[in-house]
Formats: sequence, structure tokens, C-alpha cells
Amino acid sequence: AQKITQTQPGMFVQEKEAVTLDCTYDTSDPSYGLFWYKQPSSGEMIFLIYQGSYDQQNATEGRYSLNFQKARKSANLVISASQLGDSAMYFCAMREVGGGADGLTFGKGTHLIIQP
Amino acid sequence: GAVVSQHPSRVICKSGTSVKIECRSLDFQATTMFWYRQFPKQSLMLMATSNEGSKATYEQGVEKDKFLINHASLTLSTLTVTSAHPEDSSFYICSAQKWEARYSNQPQHFGDGTRLSIL
Repeated sequence: AQKITQTQPGMFVQEKEAVTLDCTYDTSDPSYGLFWYKQPSSGEMIFLIYQGSYDQQNATEGRYSLNFQKARKSANLVISASQLGDSAMYFCAMREVGGGADGLTFGKGTHLIIQP
Repeated sequence: GAVVSQHPSRVICKSGTSVKIECRSLDFQATTMFWYRQFPKQSLMLMATSNEGSKATYEQGVEKDKFLINHASLTLSTLTVTSAHPEDSSFYICSAQKWEARYSNQPQHFGDGTRLSIL
């Protein structure tokens, strides 16, 4: 079973609109972290936001917020007031702390295109 | 913010050549570094985890003898693709992590990646 599922291969959004990118995860580890990264066409991975499994509040970072629903095992990224520069691939990733391995497991990504 | 430098950014070489890729943490000590591989239009797949001063831990299906990893210092890890063939062509990207990152909200910091093309 996939540990990270991103069900939207591609999305087209009008500039200035809000956009929600879906991410669901699967783990039996009670201690884990969830990350969102942005990858422009140039290839670098840009860290956007983090949510820990024990965090009580949803994470926010500027225009990015994370809608964390632990019982449903979902960690959707919300981008408010989208901009043309937001066009990129977006990856949801998980780090399972209890297993002792720190490598990230990535979803397949969502290709977001912001239209003027 | 934390900076990770990866070099070279692009390599084109003949089949049979060995290629070394460097990953450096410029402003922090990285007890752990990671190597990922990304095929076009696909996700990142973890290849191996390297801890400073010890042998790398490889993910299932990754050939240890093909992908040699050395993490000799707290700021440098290298990936050597030995006797590279066209099927090894891919985007390789490293990341580095501070020792306390596992228990905090500190992310892995990624290098800019290396596009490897084997002719």
C-alpha cells in the first residue's frame, strides 16, 4: 500500500484563487512528520510547510496552510491567493520517526498550473 | 536558512564511466544525508541514508556496488555511480538533516540536484 497518496496528478487554477492540494497518508507509527515541498521546473526542492503528528494546531506559513485531519490521515496543503509563480510540482512527504529511519517517503506529486 | 550545495548540476558522459556527485551542507553540520533518485515526471525515491562515519543504509532494490556512498565528514557526502549505463540516467538529489531534526519541525534541506545523462 502506498504510504503517501496524492490523487490530483494535475490542477489548473485561476490566478488569485485559493487552491487545495490533497494528501493522504498511511502509517502505524504514532510519531511522524508531514512535509510539503515545491519543485519548479528547474528541479530544486523548496520546503513549504511542516506538520508534526502531535501538533495540536494546523501549521501555517505565509500563504501556505496545512489542513491536518489526523483521524482521516489527511494533510492537505492550502495555498491562498495563488500567484503565477506558484506553478510547479508539489510533493507531500512523510517522515516516520519511530521506525528509526529518517528518509522521506514522497507522494507522486501534483502538477499545479496557475493561469492568468 | 540552511543551505545544501550539490555538484555538479549536470553531467553527460559515456557508458562505462564512473561519476561522482558531491553534496555539502554549507552552514550546518549534517549528521545524516540522504540520496534520492527521480525519473522524469515521477516522484523522488529514497536510495540510501548515510550517517557520518558509518556505512550507508541502502533501500531495497538499490545496488550497493553500483551506487557507492561516502559520508566522511559532517558536511560532505558523495555518491559515485560506478560503471554508469544509460539506464542510470536520472535526476539525483541529496538532502541533509541536522541531528535534532527528527524530533522537531526542521525539514530536510535539499541540494539543487544533478541531472545525469549516460550516452
